[in-house]
Amino acid sequence: KAGVTQTPRYLIKTRGQQVTLSCSPISGHRSVSWYQQTPGQGLQFLFEYFSETQRNKGNFPGRFSGRQFSNSRSEMNVSTLELGDSALYLCASATAAGELFFGEGSRLTVL
Amino acid sequence: EDKVVQSPLSLVVHEGDTVTLNCSYEVTNFRSLLWYKQEKKAPTFLFMLTSSGIEKKSGRLSSILDKKELSSILNITATQTGDSAIYLCAGPFNFRNEKLTFGTGTRLTIIP
Repeated sequence: KAGVTQTPRYLIKTRGQQVTLSCSPISGHRSVSWYQQTPGQGLQFLFEYFSETQRNKGNFPGRFSGRQFSNSRSEMNVSTLELGDSALYLCASATAAGELFFGEGSRLTVL
Repeated sequence: EDKVVQSPLSLVVHEGDTVTLNCSYEVTNFRSLLWYKQEKKAPTFLFMLTSSGIEKKSGRLSSILDKKELSSILNITATQTGDSAIYLCAGPFNFRNEKLTFGTGTRLTIIP
């Protein structure tokens, strides 16, 4: 069974640009959540989607947005990038019991 | 605000030693507690503990939940160099399981 797949794995952007990250959950998992990981703040929750609906949102500015498609695949977008957005962005899909499985992550560097 | 605290922040032991990692939480609505291992990439799921499943074991790793003390421990026996990683504790301490609050982690280093 394939795990959570994230693309791209690495990307470099400059300040002011925008970026879109993609996540394909484990087959059968309908919940997809996103986390930001930085050395200073650790792992922080961004948002979670279930059946194309955002059910929960963390404390991030409106520049961070996401969506989920009917096949459960999800994308997150960050607009007007800032240096502080440099981080590892992790996507996770969840079983019905609440066990979260993470993808390899997308490492974003903002110059 | 929900809070998860892990200790120690880092730990260095020799191969073959047994280690105990700690996680305590202050939450308004406990549902479950999860342990992850993170090496150089994404966190790998280890265990989920709930009110109905307070003890889990897998090979040399085991974990116990103490709901009275609001804490959990992760034990690793006969440590190996491959156990070197950051161990993260997290909980969905609200209505939705999928919103996890993570601790800062314990960095475990195993010396050969």
